[in-house]
Amino acid sequence: GAVVSQHPSRVICKSGTSVKIECRSLDFQATTMFWYRQFPKQSLMLMATSNEGSKATYEQGVEKDKFLINHASLTLSTLTVTSAHPEDSSFYICSATRRGLSGELFFGEGSRLTVL
Amino acid sequence: AQTVTQSQPEMSVQEAETVTLSCTYDTSENNYYLFWYKQPPSRQMILVIRQEAYKQQNATENRFSVNFQKAAKSFSLKISDSQLGDTAMYFCAFMKPPNFGNEKLTFGTGTRLTIIP
Repeated sequence: GAVVSQHPSRVICKSGTSVKIECRSLDFQATTMFWYRQFPKQSLMLMATSNEGSKATYEQGVEKDKFLINHASLTLSTLTVTSAHPEDSSFYICSATRRGLSGELFFGEGSRLTVL
Repeated sequence: AQTVTQSQPEMSVQEAETVTLSCTYDTSENNYYLFWYKQPPSRQMILVIRQEAYKQQNATENRFSVNFQKAAKSFSLKISDSQLGDTAMYFCAFMKPPNFGNEKLTFGTGTRLTIIP
């Protein structure tokens, strides 16, 4: 099966700092990667869609300058939370679609961000 | 815009029993995908089952089966012979006709299922 890995799985940072979360497809080329945010006991909300080599498409209400997404290669997308504040504390999950296999998503393990 | 509704925030059932989780959705699309995902305490999202709307036959995966009623826009999940490992949060999800790079999922609010020993 296709494996998607996220790193770090947990991160704690001080308010005002920036944090980068990586999402890698380990054994396949990812056509597109998606970033979701999940608050405690809530559902997953799509933040943005990123395609390799192009700018990410953000969902309505998501600040693109706050959540920087870079999709540098077919196996790596990064989410950078800039000038993090306590309200940015959340669980962030990435997913990827596999080149040549439409309609199927593979999820990373998620990254828990805590901003003090 | 598509919406997905799960009306059961929490459910519990005795081990070995059968349980059905409800999901309804709203869309103007004729073709789409529907999914059930499981999120155990580890928070890893695990695909349970997938249904393509153009297929009339209900999808099954071992102990998991769905009742897909396209006209009613209903997509329930039945878990037979429930096991302790089935304890998790279950999310129903909708995907518009998938084109490469457009596989966005819209999730329901989830149902927390507890299997009681």
